[in-house]
Amino acid sequence: AQSVTQLGSHVSVSEGALVLLRCNYSSSVPPYLFWYVQYPNQGLQLLLKYTTGATLVKGINGFEAEFKKSETSFHLTKPSAHMSDAAEYFCAVSLALSFGGYQKVTFGIGTKLQVIP
Amino acid sequence: NAGVTQTPKFQVLKTGQSMTLQCAQDMNHEYMSWYRQDPGMGLRLIHYSVGAGITDQGEVPNGYNVSRSTTEDFPLRLLSAAPSQTSVYFCASSYGGAQETQYFGPGTRLLVL
Repeated sequence: AQSVTQLGSHVSVSEGALVLLRCNYSSSVPPYLFWYVQYPNQGLQLLLKYTTGATLVKGINGFEAEFKKSETSFHLTKPSAHMSDAAEYFCAVSLALSFGGYQKVTFGIGTKLQVIP
Repeated sequence: NAGVTQTPKFQVLKTGQSMTLQCAQDMNHEYMSWYRQDPGMGLRLIHYSVGAGITDQGEVPNGYNVSRSTTEDFPLRLLSAAPSQTSVYFCASSYGGAQETQYFGPGTRLLVL
C-alpha cells in the first residue's frame, strides 16, 4: 500500500520569502513522485516529478524538490515566493499496477499556499 | 490540442436524479481516470480505464458507473445522485505508465440538493 502525507494544509509566507511545502510518503517499493499545482477554479497541472536519476528535480516557475529515500520525503521549495504562487499544491506517489504496469496514483490532501504582500 | 475537456462546468441536481459527466481527450492517451476532490481529502480515484472497453474501480466507486467505447471519451454516470456526491470532479488522462504525467481537465462542480 502507498500513502502520502502533506504536513500543513495551509501555509502562509511573505512575498520574497522561502517556500517550503512538506511531503512524506510510504511505499513498499521506490515510487515515482510528483508535485501538481492547482490554481483557483482550474484543474491540476504538473509542477515537477521524480522518476529516476538526479534526486534534485527542477520544475516550472522556479520550484524544485529533492527526493530523499532515507527520509521518505519529497519536499517542495522555492527560494523567493511571488504573489502568483498562491495556489494549492498536491504531492502524489505513483506505482505500477501488477496488471499491465499501469499507474496507481495516490494524492496527498493538498497544501494551500498563501503569499502575503 | 484541446487537451482534456469536461462538460458541464457546473451542475445542480436533486437527490435521486441521474446525470452523465462528459470527459474527452485528444492526446491519444490510453489511460483515463475520474477523481473527486473534497476539502481536506485531496483527490480520490473513482474509476479508471486502460483502454477502450477496459475499466476498473478505484478507491470510491460506489454510486458511479463508467464505460469507455472509444480512446477519446470516458463519461462518468451518477446513477441516483445523493448529497454525499456533492464535489468537484476531475477527469485526467496519461500514457499510463507509472512515471507518466497526468493531464487534468478543468473540472465539473456538482451540487446535489
